[in-house]
Amino acid sequence: EADIYQTPRYLVIGTGKKITLECSQTMGHDKMYWYQQDPGMELHLIHYSYGVNSTEKGDLSSESTVSRIRTEHFPLTLESARPSHTSQYLCASSKSSGGLTEKLFFGSGTQLSVL
Amino acid sequence: GQQVMQIPQYQHVQEGEDFTTYCNSSTTLSNIQWYKQRPGGHPVFLIQLVKSGEVKKQKRLTFQFGEAKKNSSLHITATQTTDVGTYFCAGPYGGATNKLIFGTGTLLAVQP
Repeated sequence: EADIYQTPRYLVIGTGKKITLECSQTMGHDKMYWYQQDPGMELHLIHYSYGVNSTEKGDLSSESTVSRIRTEHFPLTLESARPSHTSQYLCASSKSSGGLTEKLFFGSGTQLSVL
Repeated sequence: GQQVMQIPQYQHVQEGEDFTTYCNSSTTLSNIQWYKQRPGGHPVFLIQLVKSGEVKKQKRLTFQFGEAKKNSSLHITATQTTDVGTYFCAGPYGGATNKLIFGTGTLLAVQP
């Protein structure tokens, strides 16, 4: 079983609040990702990191920001939450395998509801 | 832009019936992965296919990668209630090896 943890599991918050979604992995993986998933829909990549101090935006535009100060930690921050941010946020990690696309290990996700 | 579509979007079967989901990419893929997401859960990696025409089996699940490497399929023989969930295919974005684009998914419901 993958050792990647997300907190909180559920978050209900009011508009305008600043929030940080936590993601940590204990597998020593160099790559980490954030995906956004609406109910019954596919996953969309919003951020990824190939290592410490490396972050890139994914293909779905997001107002969130990320940081990668430590290998194991990849938090996602929303400075001012809005109802349109309501969604499930899934964190994932992978280990470099020398060229072939790596399999992703996902956390349990954070279901965010902004009122 | 690059798209990965899956059909059907939803399938309801009686336990014991077979099930197939099809994955079609707008671009050629270097490889394709399959994930399963149980209701309320997170995606879990099932398998990766790399070679053109490759076929792999995992017990009752059979995965196939098309000759042109633009499509793939997952076939489940004699479904069980434990097979319930959404099945996603995923392939790398463009030339990148580590950015995955996920398919639209197929939700499988199995009636006992």
